[in-house]
Amino acid sequence: IQMTQSPSSLSASVGDRVTITCHASQDVITSLNWYQQKPGKAPSLLIHDASNLETGVPSRFSGSGSGTDFSLTISSLQPEDIATYYCQQFETVPITFGQGTRLEIK
Amino acid sequence: EVQLVESGGGLVQPGGSLRLSCAASGFTFINYWMNWVRQVPGKGLVWVSRINSEGNNVFYADSVKGRFTISRDNARNTLYLQMNSLRVDDTAVYYCTRGVSGGDWGQGTLVIVSS
Repeated sequence: IQMTQSPSSLSASVGDRVTITCHASQDVITSLNWYQQKPGKAPSLLIHDASNLETGVPSRFSGSGSGTDFSLTISSLQPEDIATYYCQQFETVPITFGQGTRLEIK
Repeated sequence: EVQLVESGGGLVQPGGSLRLSCAASGFTFINYWMNWVRQVPGKGLVWVSRINSEGNNVFYADSVKGRFTISRDNARNTLYLQMNSLRVDDTAVYYCTRGVSGGDWGQGTLVIVSS
C-alpha cells in the first residue's frame, strides 16, 4: 500500500492552523498512525488508529479520516512543533510510511 | 515506562554481517509483536521486518528477504535482527518498534556499510 503525504514541506506562522494529508492507495480502514520526528531523534507517536491522541500529546494535535484519506491538524502551531511528520499504515504487511512532511516556522 | 534499547550497530564492509539487539523493558514482552524499521539519515522511514509474539511467524520487506533474519528471546525480553550479505544501501539507523502498529520506538542504532 502506497502512502502519499502532502505537502512535502510547509512553512507556517506561530498560531496558524496547519493540516497535513495522507492518501492510501488501498483501504486501510483506520489502521493509521501519525508520527513526529525531530532532528536526531526517533519518531514519536502523536495519533494512533487515525484519530486517537496518544497519551501526553498536546490537544492541539488531532487526526481524522478513514479508508484512504486521512489528515493531521495542528490547531495552533507552536515553535516546538518544528519537525517532520509521517503517516504510517499498519493494516497490511509491508507496513508503509508516507514520505514525510517537513514543517517549518515562518 | 516502555523502554526499547537497540545495540549492535557499527561499521561493516559490504558482504559482512551484523546482529542487532533490542532490549525491551517496562511491558510484558511476550504479549507483543515487534518490528524493525530503518531510516537512511535525512531520508524517510522504511519498515524492514516483523515477528509475532511467539516468534514463529515472521515477515520481511522484499529488499532484505533472504539476507536478514528476525528473531526474539522472550525469556531475555530481547529482539534480534541478524543481517547478512550487507550492502551499501543497508546503511541506516535501525529502530525496533513495539506492537502491530509499531507505536513505541527505541532510540535507534546506526549501521554503516562501507569499504
